Amino acid sequence: DQQVKQNSPSLSVQEGRISILNCDYTNSMFDYFLWYKKYPAEGPTFLISISSIKDKNEDGRFTVFLNKSAKHLSLHIVPSQPGDSAVYFCAAIRGGKLIFGQGTELSVKP
Amino acid sequence: DADVTQTPRNRITKTGKRIMLECSQTKGHDRMYWYRQDPGLGLRLIYYSFDVKDINKGEISDGYSVSRQAQAKFSLSLESAIPNQTALYFCATSDRTGGLAGQETQYFGPGTRLLVL
Repeated sequence: DQQVKQNSPSLSVQEGRISILNCDYTNSMFDYFLWYKKYPAEGPTFLISISSIKDKNEDGRFTVFLNKSAKHLSLHIVPSQPGDSAVYFCAAIRGGKLIFGQGTELSVKP
Repeated sequence: DADVTQTPRNRITKTGKRIMLECSQTKGHDRMYWYRQDPGLGLRLIYYSFDVKDINKGEISDGYSVSRQAQAKFSLSLESAIPNQTALYFCATSDRTGGLAGQETQYFGPGTRLLVL
């Protein structure tokens, strides 16, 4: 039973445009969400997070939006750069443990 | 130097063999985790340890065991490896003082790619 879902395995975007990565969750008890970024041959690295008491958190080019009623969050990258090409994982925390989505591979083309 | 290191980085083994994956960290964190990544499934938690005397099963612990030898070391063992344990394995750490309770950021090692023939 996948509690955190990323339904798009891949996304291709032109450099300079916006990238939108989506994530859905099923457990309304989740109260903290994170996005991790993973390059090949490396471990995931923390990118940005959001608490359920907020609906938006911004850090430079990265913004995460949370819609609790829809149990949906999204990561916006503006403007997208070729160095952003990676796999992005959405995750929720419960009891100090991360529950990951399947990941979305973003490709930003020059 | 990397804060979270994993050895080996790549390993090929045969069905039935015992294998140990090791994780060391210099971050001084008290919490450590083992995950596996499979295509299309994301990362799934195998075991976790919130301090040296604490070991807990994760989502997919069958076929695995762990040992927390020290605050800085957390090993994952496959007692009798089978082909469906072929995966990418990640160790991670977090610090319970690094944020609100239950919201600590986890820091991942570079991964161990395991192939069981």
